[in-house]
Amino acid sequence: QSALAQPTSVSGSPGQSITISCTGTSSDIGDNDYVSWYQQHPGKAPKLIIYGVTNRPSGVSDRFSGSKSGNTASLTISGLQAEDEADYHCTSYASTIIPHVFFGGGTKLTVL
Amino acid sequence: QVQLVQSGAEVKQPGASMKVSCRASAYTFTDYYIHWVRQAPGQGFEWMGWINPNTGGTSLAQKFQGRITMTRDTSISTAYIDLGSLGYDDTAVYYCVRERMRPRRNFGFDPWGQGTLVTISS
Repeated sequence: QSALAQPTSVSGSPGQSITISCTGTSSDIGDNDYVSWYQQHPGKAPKLIIYGVTNRPSGVSDRFSGSKSGNTASLTISGLQAEDEADYHCTSYASTIIPHVFFGGGTKLTVL
Repeated sequence: QVQLVQSGAEVKQPGASMKVSCRASAYTFTDYYIHWVRQAPGQGFEWMGWINPNTGGTSLAQKFQGRITMTRDTSISTAYIDLGSLGYDDTAVYYCVRERMRPRRNFGFDPWGQGTLVTISS
């Protein structure tokens, strides 16, 4: 099975909201609530910002929110700030015969 | 604070094996799964498998089965990944990441190790 599908890039102006989609299948995103999102700044390791579709770890801004509909998960960033410019990656667990964790290809967010 | 500290960069020849370590600190090592993930240059992330440090049980991605081993040494809170029969497409940054066991799994990876660059070169 292929990686989860994410747009290559999105952009927005400071203060605006943007949404990044992550499309999988009925065997992964559509099968459970194990969707996570990560923020990765250049040269740094990724940071968990959403887990379990909608949950934020302690210390993560409430400007970040997650949702899911069918086989597609979404990450919304409201009140865009310059520091939000980064790559964003989604993951989903698939409890198939041989369990697997799929990654999206990553989305580059540009704050204009 | 909770940290995963990985071993340093390696250069390996094609056909050789690599072993990367991941030392955990500031938490109970056996209470969290350790996963291994890699990112080839200019590519997305790829999940390789997990180990339960409490039992030593593993779940390995089908793509790597037959040439991958994940182990741990609980006495020094360290996890290891061994990957054999290396090819040029195994050149990547390898990361260890932590996932909680209780109250239930969530497949959220936090934190990430600093990454270990493994370069396959003749």
